[in-house]
Amino acid sequence: NAGVTQTPKFQVLKTGQSMTLQCAQDMNHNSMYWYRQDPGMGLRLIYYSASEGTTDKGEVPNGYNVSRLNKREFSLRLESAAPSQTSVYFCASSVPHYEQYFGPGTRLTVT
Amino acid sequence: KNQVEQSPQSLIILEGKNCTLQCNYTVSPFSNLRWYKQDTGRGPVSLTIMTFSENTKSNGRYTATLDADTKQSSLHITASQLSDSASYICVVSSGTYKYIFGTGTRLKVLA
Repeated sequence: NAGVTQTPKFQVLKTGQSMTLQCAQDMNHNSMYWYRQDPGMGLRLIYYSASEGTTDKGEVPNGYNVSRLNKREFSLRLESAAPSQTSVYFCASSVPHYEQYFGPGTRLTVT
Repeated sequence: KNQVEQSPQSLIILEGKNCTLQCNYTVSPFSNLRWYKQDTGRGPVSLTIMTFSENTKSNGRYTATLDADTKQSSLHITASQLSDSASYICVVSSGTYKYIFGTGTRLKVLA
């Protein structure tokens, strides 16, 4: 039982490049989330998926797209990376109203 | 504006001592309040979740309190250990998929 896994752990991109962050959970949770964590700020929700086949914008969705591939997997795509997207990205999953389980994070640097 | 404020920003204590971390919130509507522990370089891990009607909740040496009237919560750590060194994050939910994260208290426990 691995919980929530994320790949890659680290990534460096040049401005304008694209990439996809992968997330998978093995807890059979319906809900999945993508957050970013920046120094001096609380985690901010980028997108969430209440259930397979649905996605919704969170607090800071601009510059990102998501795909809920199936119940297990939820990916985050940066189409044209910008330095402002330098951050640590966390994926999480949960049963609604219950605790969220977070992955180990992806540290992304955009130069 | 919905906000979660935590104090102190950072704290250093000696191993074996107790400490209390504070969380004040201005979030409406209120659904529940959560405390997470985040080790350096890792994702947050849930400690407690409290609803409006719960005043106290314990998880081992961690005890959280909630005063919904004054919109304050505290996290008390008893007999601290070196492994308690981490950031502690207060999160208030204002509904399904609406989470407001505090910026955290960074705790350092010294031997």
